[in-house]
Amino acid sequence: AQSVTQLGSHVSVSEGALVLLRCNYSSSVPPYLFWYVQYPNQGLQLLLKYTTGATLVKGINGFEAEFKKSETSFHLTKPSAHMSDAAEYFCAVSEVSGNQFYFGTGTSLTVIP
Amino acid sequence: KAGVTQTPRYLIKTRGQQVTLSCSPISGHRSVSWYQQTPGQGLQFLFEYFSETQRNKGNFPGRFSGRQFSNSRSEMNVSTLELGDSALYLCASALGALNEQFFGPGTRLTVL
Repeated sequence: AQSVTQLGSHVSVSEGALVLLRCNYSSSVPPYLFWYVQYPNQGLQLLLKYTTGATLVKGINGFEAEFKKSETSFHLTKPSAHMSDAAEYFCAVSEVSGNQFYFGTGTSLTVIP
Repeated sequence: KAGVTQTPRYLIKTRGQQVTLSCSPISGHRSVSWYQQTPGQGLQFLFEYFSETQRNKGNFPGRFSGRQFSNSRSEMNVSTLELGDSALYLCASALGALNEQFFGPGTRLTVL
């Protein structure tokens, strides 16, 4: 089974600073990779996904992520944090041959004004 | 296109009772997955249905069950509720395997 590791359950950044949320997965076969965001009392919303092709993926709200096979990583970044980015972020993996998503434990992002 | 809907949004039950939660997927989506979200455990996969068949099941006791109807709507049932079952239950639908999942707003279950 897959495992997804998100380093740092809580990350704080200043408004305007770089956002970096880390995600590593365990599969030896490149899976499909996703980042979701969850605002309070809401469900999860897809930010971006990687399936095949270009390893740098751009998503909504200025976020992007880069798939690095050699590092089994899919870190999420945003050049300049905005107050509205404060939320819980989840990295997820779906095996190419499977039907199940595996989620990380989430990273809570706080943006300091 | 309407999103994933879940009913009810909030539910309060007492220990020993049973509960049924409902999920209506996005039109055309045949895969429905259920997750339990708690502050300590994060998102835990419960099960996934596709065309009325359970394809995957997470590591939960038999008190947790589900089903999917021919119109792709899904229900999950929890019997003999325990305090630890208090959680946000999320439903997600997808076109099929490997497609991104679209989540509903969740049902907040509180067990007293």
